[in-house]
Parts: sequence; structure tokens; C-alpha cells
Amino acid sequence: GAVVSQHPSRVICKSGTSVKIECRSLDFQATTMFWYRQFPKQSLMLMATSNEGSKATYEQGVEKDKFLINHASLTLSTLTVTSAHPEDSSFYICSAAPFGAGSYGYTFGSGTRLTVV
Amino acid sequence: QKEVEQNSGPLSVPEGAIASLNCTYSDRVSQSFFWYRQYSGKSPELIMSIYSNGDKEDGRFTAQLNKASQYVSLLIRDSQPSDSATYLCAVFRGNTGKLIFGQGTTLQVKP
Repeated sequence: GAVVSQHPSRVICKSGTSVKIECRSLDFQATTMFWYRQFPKQSLMLMATSNEGSKATYEQGVEKDKFLINHASLTLSTLTVTSAHPEDSSFYICSAAPFGAGSYGYTFGSGTRLTVV
Repeated sequence: QKEVEQNSGPLSVPEGAIASLNCTYSDRVSQSFFWYRQYSGKSPELIMSIYSNGDKEDGRFTAQLNKASQYVSLLIRDSQPSDSATYLCAVFRGNTGKLIFGQGTTLQVKP
């Protein structure tokens, strides 16, 4: 149980364009999902908390207008990187857990490798 | 002081040895602790969770928790080259539902 699917696994886009990444909980409902970014040889950095039916909450230093998060259903959260630039190239990963089960650990999606050229 | 601290390593052990990975945390009210394994280029995978003081064993893995010392560790017995990965310690922050990660320890198991 607790399977999280993330799509696409890899994407290359041109500088200035936008990219959408999807995170789905396949066998459970998730009122909350988390989005992380990881640069090479660095740890996970929490970007934002995605809340179903309400606005996402962003960590300090993360531009909410650049990283748009939509959590329109209990099984889907999307992260859109707007006007992407080469410095946005990174590994983006989502995570989720069934409601109330976060204290038992979160499951991660497989991640999306974004390369902006 | 970081909320969750790990030695980044690399920790190098020979095949068959015991690998010992350590983590300290700063928030005394934390109740849930996790170890994730992350292979290069892949996303983290949950391998152990521990909630009470003492040891918890699962196969070759043993997690140890000492709340008084705010210390969590992971022991890997009979280390295999396939165990070579980065191990992330994580603490669940109940008031926000967030997992707070350490910077990870890179383990290298040499044949």
C-alpha cells in the first residue's frame, strides 16, 4: 500500500518555458503532499506543503509565484515550474501519506529530473 | 544548530562488516523517527521506523533510539555492496506534519 506515482520522470525544457510535474497517490487519499527539491550531492530541501482544496504553504525562500502548486483532488498534486531557468535544473520529488498516517512515514514518488537548457 | 544532524561521510566499510550510521535531533518532543535509503539518482525509500527507546530489528537492519540523548542510529549487519547508498535520517514534526531530514550519510561497502 501507500504508492505514490510521479510523472514525468525526466523532462528537458527550454529556458523561459513552464513545466508541470504530477504527483498521484494511487491507493490512498492524501489531503497533504510535500514537494522537495534536491541538487546533486545535497540533501532533500522541502519546498512546500500542498494542501487539498486550499493554498499551498511554502518554505522560506521558495518563490510561490515561480513554483505553482495545485492540489485539486485528494489524489493529485501538481507542481508547475514557471519561466524555468537553468538554475531550476534539479531533482524534484513529492511525498505523501494517508491522512493521519504521517507519523508512520511518508512514501516518495520516483522523482522528476528537470533539466533547463 | 540544525534540527537533524548526520555526518555526511563517506562511511566506508568492507563487505560483511557492520555499518553504523548516526543521527542527532534537536526537538525533544519528537516522537517518530525514520531511516530512508537513497540510491544515486533515485528517490528515498523508507527502510526503518522507530518510535520508542531501544532497538528495533528488521532483517539485517537495527534502528536504535535514545530519546534522552536525542540520538538515533542505524546498524546494518553483514553489509553488502548493494547497501552502498545515502542514508537519510528523518524526524516527524507532529505539529506541522512535516518530515525533517538530515543531510544524509553516504555509505560505501567495498567488496
